[in-house]
Amino acid sequence: GDSVTQMEGPVTLSEEAFLTINCTYTATGYPSLFWYVQYPGEGLQLLLKATKADDKGSNKGFEATYRKETTSFHLEKGSVQVSDSAVYFCALKELNKFYFGSGTKLNVKP
Amino acid sequence: KAGVTQTPRYLIKTRGQQVTLSCSPISGHRSVSWYQQTPGQGLQFLFEYFSETQRNKGNFPGRFSGRQFSNSRSEMNVSTLELGDSALYLCASSLRRLAGGTGELFFGEGSRLTVL
Repeated sequence: GDSVTQMEGPVTLSEEAFLTINCTYTATGYPSLFWYVQYPGEGLQLLLKATKADDKGSNKGFEATYRKETTSFHLEKGSVQVSDSAVYFCALKELNKFYFGSGTKLNVKP
Repeated sequence: KAGVTQTPRYLIKTRGQQVTLSCSPISGHRSVSWYQQTPGQGLQFLFEYFSETQRNKGNFPGRFSGRQFSNSRSEMNVSTLELGDSALYLCASSLRRLAGGTGELFFGEGSRLTVL
């Protein structure tokens, strides 16, 4: 069945460091891929998405490219800020069903 | 445009009681999904409702139930509460499409349930 695997956290970085959070997926067809972010005490917010192979989603300095050949959708940001501290979830959607990864907590220190 | 609204935000119950949580989706969204979030299990899918019908269901016992009204508002109910039901319950709405499509989920802030 469909599933999403993302790197375990927590990930701790200093401000302005480069961020990569790995995400790989298993799907039977051609899913859409998403990254959601959850700030403390809040629900999940859509960060970015990609709907087909080689699409690049981007928002607020974050980017992720839909790689069908490696079934991956890694999240990257060139320079993180303290305000990026949150939990990040990778997800896929296929046939109106969503599958979420376990979440990766990011801590950014000043 | 108002977001997804969940009520109540916080509640405390004791074992054996029941609880009802409410979710108002974004205007025009007819699909409502419910998730349970706990530190140990992450995000777990409970069920999805579309046009007042349950379309998908996760792997939860029958104590967890839901319904959707004609205005797309949804409620979920948990009966005979157990300590392990303590969690953040998240509701999400979306523009469901028959043929798939992006139809991303828009989440509410959640209802945090504590069972004592």
